[in-house]
Amino acid sequence: GEDVEQSLFLSVREGDSSVINCTYTDSSSTYLYWYKQEPGAGLQLLTYIFSNMDMKQDQRLTVLLNKKDKHLSLRIADTQTGDSAIYFCAADGGATNKLIFGTGTLLAVQP
Amino acid sequence: ETGVTQSPTHLIKTRGQQVTLRCSSQSGHNTVSWYQQALGQGPQFIFQYYREEENGRGNFPPRFSGLQFPNYSSELNVNALELDDSALYLCASTIGGVGETQYFGPGTRLLVL
Repeated sequence: GEDVEQSLFLSVREGDSSVINCTYTDSSSTYLYWYKQEPGAGLQLLTYIFSNMDMKQDQRLTVLLNKKDKHLSLRIADTQTGDSAIYFCAADGGATNKLIFGTGTLLAVQP
Repeated sequence: ETGVTQSPTHLIKTRGQQVTLRCSSQSGHNTVSWYQQALGQGPQFIFQYYREEENGRGNFPPRFSGLQFPNYSSELNVNALELDDSALYLCASTIGGVGETQYFGPGTRLLVL
């Protein structure tokens, strides 16, 4: 079935780069998304990438997509303490509009 | 701000009760999806409505039902509440079509005792 997997936890120092990885199984996914969730809050869309792209850069965020391996990554440059949150990778469910989410990666930024 | 609002923010119910959660989408957003996020998990797709008709459903029992109204508001109803229904319920709206960005509301946190 459809599945999205992420590592559970990442700890970095302020100013370093963070790389959060994700793998997905549905090869028909057209768009792949990264969402951020702060404690007690809803989901904030950070960025997304179309499946025929390899890379997308948006200010401090860089998304890399390896469609052959179904691997997605999010790089945050110059990570700040305000970036501490849970990051979710999501894939659209092919022909439907539903999103399939991973379990989330908790990013802890140490000052 | 996504322009999507949900009410109430928090809710406590007991097993066996029924609950209605509400979502107000952005004007022009014909598609609304509901997700359940259990503690420590990613959101799970419950169902989607497009122009007031159900347009896809995840692996949730029939006691989870929904409605969508012409004024871009929608409801999630859960009957015969169970302890495992305790979760954050999120709605997301979009203009429609694959790839259209889904805008999430802040969620309703439901606790079933």
